[in-house]
Amino acid sequence: EIVLTQSPGTLSLSPGERATLSCRASQSISNYQLAWYQQKPGQAPRLLIYAASSRPTGIPDRFSGSGSGTDFTLTISRLEPEDFAVYYCQQYGSSSLTFGGGTKVEIK
Amino acid sequence: QVQLVQSGAEVRKPGASVKVSCRTSGYSFTVYYIQWVRQAPGQGLEWMGWINPNSGSTNYAQKFQGRVTMTRDTSISTVYMELTRLTSDDTAVYYCARAPSRLTYFDHGGQGTLVTVSS
Repeated sequence: EIVLTQSPGTLSLSPGERATLSCRASQSISNYQLAWYQQKPGQAPRLLIYAASSRPTGIPDRFSGSGSGTDFTLTISRLEPEDFAVYYCQQYGSSSLTFGGGTKVEIK
Repeated sequence: QVQLVQSGAEVRKPGASVKVSCRTSGYSFTVYYIQWVRQAPGQGLEWMGWINPNSGSTNYAQKFQGRVTMTRDTSISTVYMELTRLTSDDTAVYYCARAPSRLTYFDHGGQGTLVTVSS
């Protein structure tokens, strides 16, 4: 099973700042098979990024993903008030899908 | 629009079973897989498995094998997840989610169903 480690656990930032979230895998993830989700309290996770760097229709371009192999990054270029939430990475490069433990982006 | 609507909250005693439904609409039911993911209170996300609504084939995470069964009813575009031999560790919000294929991300999710296991 591929273990995903997200860092930092909590990121304290102000609106307008740049957020950089990390997701590190215990083994290489093939074919960029990594997704990022945003979750707000009481809501289901929302897909932000798939295939490491692709954005679904409707996701603002301030969200971007990068990386390959074992190291992936989600960047929020300028935080909007609605971006304060918990973010999870997920790998789907193996037969057992796994999630990272999450990064909470909170208002400083 | 794509919708996945789950059944309501459930309370069960340890050792009992629970069956959660996920009614879909707004897309072709048999084209997309359905995954199930759960989230214990204050915890992260845990993948449970998937079902192919077209064929009924399933794949379960090793942790849940022998305790989970995913089924579907194509006549009403609904998927079910049944979990047996419940313990307090199974207290969680259970989500169904639509996925483009069997091993992939999910692009739409249900609202979640809280299952509480308590004596």
